[in-house]
Amino acid sequence: QKEVEQNSGPLSVPEGAIASLNCTYSDRGSQSFFWYRQYSGKSPELIMSIYSNGDKEDGRFTAQLNKASQYVSLLIRDSQPSDSATYLCAVNDNYGQNFVFGPGTRLSVLP
Amino acid sequence: EPEVTQTPSHQVTQMGQEVILRCVPISNHLYFYWYRQILGQKVEFLVSFYNNEISEKSEIFDDQFSVERPDGSNFTLKIRSTKLEDSAMYFCASSVGPGGLPEKLFFGSGTQLSVL
Repeated sequence: QKEVEQNSGPLSVPEGAIASLNCTYSDRGSQSFFWYRQYSGKSPELIMSIYSNGDKEDGRFTAQLNKASQYVSLLIRDSQPSDSATYLCAVNDNYGQNFVFGPGTRLSVLP
Repeated sequence: EPEVTQTPSHQVTQMGQEVILRCVPISNHLYFYWYRQILGQKVEFLVSFYNNEISEKSEIFDDQFSVERPDGSNFTLKIRSTKLEDSAMYFCASSVGPGGLPEKLFFGSGTQLSVL
């Protein structure tokens, strides 16, 4: 059973701070990793994808991947109240089409 | 920007009834999916569909469920004899298809199914 784990939160950070979201996964064969943002009552929206070890930056977002530790993280710099949402980590093994989602971390950015 | 379209946005049904949830994936996408999310819980994979057949399904996707691509644009999820525990948000998603790295999922806005 492939598992993706995240702290459920809520994670509260003040506006302008860095929010750090973490995810671990059980399947060492996992090859592709995604971060989705989900506002309450809405569908998941893709923020970042990362496939190789290291950091990948896109605007205020940085994804970090460490396959040896089976760990992926998302940093949000200069957090804004509009970033308040649940962040979902998703993992794919590159062989199937089953993207496994973690339970999500609820982020609250306080003005 | 192209998007995945789902109808209806809300569906209320009586226990034991059949429902059909409809989706129009992005036109050049080849993989189609159904996920569900029970309120307050995680997004759960139900089924993936490629080349007019199921490519993968989860334990949740039992004989109660079926999928179909009746024409070139629609992708449907049928739930027979609905149960109370089928109440959830059902998301359709699509991706471009095989091309080396797994493609990104694009989600529809969901159908909120309420079974009474």
